[in-house]
Amino acid sequence: GENVEQHPSTLSVQEGDSAVIKCTYSDSASNYFPWYKQELGKRPQLIIDIRSNVGEKKDQRIAVTLNKTAKHFSLHITETQPEDSAVYFCAANDDTDKLIFGTGTRLQVFP
Amino acid sequence: NAGVTQTPKFQVLKTGQSMTLQCAQDMNHEYMSWYRQDPGMGLRLIHYSVGAGITDQGEVPNGYNVSRSTTEDFPLRLLSAAPSQTSVYFCASSLGGNQPQHFGDGTRLSIL
Repeated sequence: GENVEQHPSTLSVQEGDSAVIKCTYSDSASNYFPWYKQELGKRPQLIIDIRSNVGEKKDQRIAVTLNKTAKHFSLHITETQPEDSAVYFCAANDDTDKLIFGTGTRLQVFP
Repeated sequence: NAGVTQTPKFQVLKTGQSMTLQCAQDMNHEYMSWYRQDPGMGLRLIHYSVGAGITDQGEVPNGYNVSRSTTEDFPLRLLSAAPSQTSVYFCASSLGGNQPQHFGDGTRLSIL
């Protein structure tokens, strides 16, 4: 079955710097790759997603890149702000369309 | 439009007790799923359903039962609670497995 690995597990950056979180997946049939943000004590919320027919997608300060050959995708946050502090999860669907999540990255943005 | 509603928000059980976590959505989504979230382990899929009358197992199904008699509701049953089932449980719904999932607020379950 699908296996999604996420790195790093924690990431600390200065306000205004960029943050990059990386994920790898194992199932070559995966075609949907969402990213979720979870603030402390809250529900996970979708922030951006990408499909396998696209290599990159941007939404303001957030971008996701996908390399299907290498089976990895990354979340890029530019000009980080304290409100970006949260846990971020990547996910990939498997060949039966179950969504498998990575183990999460705790991002801390220091002012 | 309430989205995905989970009840209760908090629950404490004794080992061996049974209970049902409720999940309801009002978005007419066919796909619903249950996850458990434990520190350092992300969100692990327990069971999911692609429509009324259809359910299937996820990554960690043991000790849990589900049913889907209507499109709106997808309850999760703990048959005989064990301390290892202490976790935060999230229900989610979507138009499909490869579509954005909408999560409920979660149920924090402690088993003593």
